Amino acid sequence: GAGVSQSPRYKVAKRGQDVALRCDPISGHVSLFWYQQALGQGPEFLTYFQNEAQLDKSGLPSDRFFAERPEGSVSTLKIQRTQQEDSAVYLCASSLGGSGGNLGAFFGQGTRLTVV
Amino acid sequence: AQSVAQPEDQVNVAEGNPLTVKCTYSVSGNPYLFWYVQYPNRGLQFLLKYITGDNLVKGSYGFEAEFNKSQTSFHLKKPSALVSDSALYFCAVRDPHSSGSARQLTFGSGTQLTVLP
Repeated sequence: GAGVSQSPRYKVAKRGQDVALRCDPISGHVSLFWYQQALGQGPEFLTYFQNEAQLDKSGLPSDRFFAERPEGSVSTLKIQRTQQEDSAVYLCASSLGGSGGNLGAFFGQGTRLTVV
Repeated sequence: AQSVAQPEDQVNVAEGNPLTVKCTYSVSGNPYLFWYVQYPNRGLQFLLKYITGDNLVKGSYGFEAEFNKSQTSFHLKKPSALVSDSALYFCAVRDPHSSGSARQLTFGSGTQLTVLP
């Protein structure tokens, strides 16, 4: 596609449920980032992939969060045993460069997760 | 560690008037600086960036930003605001000489711009 695509756009999960959020980056983009944006806040970094390699996962808030990009294109962010504080918009971004430079990174529309 | 401050949660301006959205940053070396805009229920859209060169950077939709190293600022400006400019604006920074976790962007908390007709 022409841009970064995320699905689903909206997800409502019951507390304790597992969820999986998908990101389709722009074709050929080497770098892929996940961010978490709480209501009224700026996005905060979660994790970074260069192709299939997860080079940085320092922003993942707990071991309930797991991300993968097995073939270096589509990425999935999984949250196990969701809690109310996980409610946020999850943004995916991709960029062409392999240095992880974020130069002109393109963002998807995000997935709004609400945990009830 | 790198950080960004957007001191104003809300900026109101009349249509046709100039607008300024403020941003200051803290980074160990020379920064890469970005502005993004977010419309309701939309993802972040890139407006402009400063990497090196001229301190005045021109971007999309008539926006520009001025890099001021001595004041560690990167304020977003537009000479004549439009009602359609009303949105949430985020400033972001990256230290190009860092590795690991600093590869990512660090965002400010955002400024809601409202342009009044």
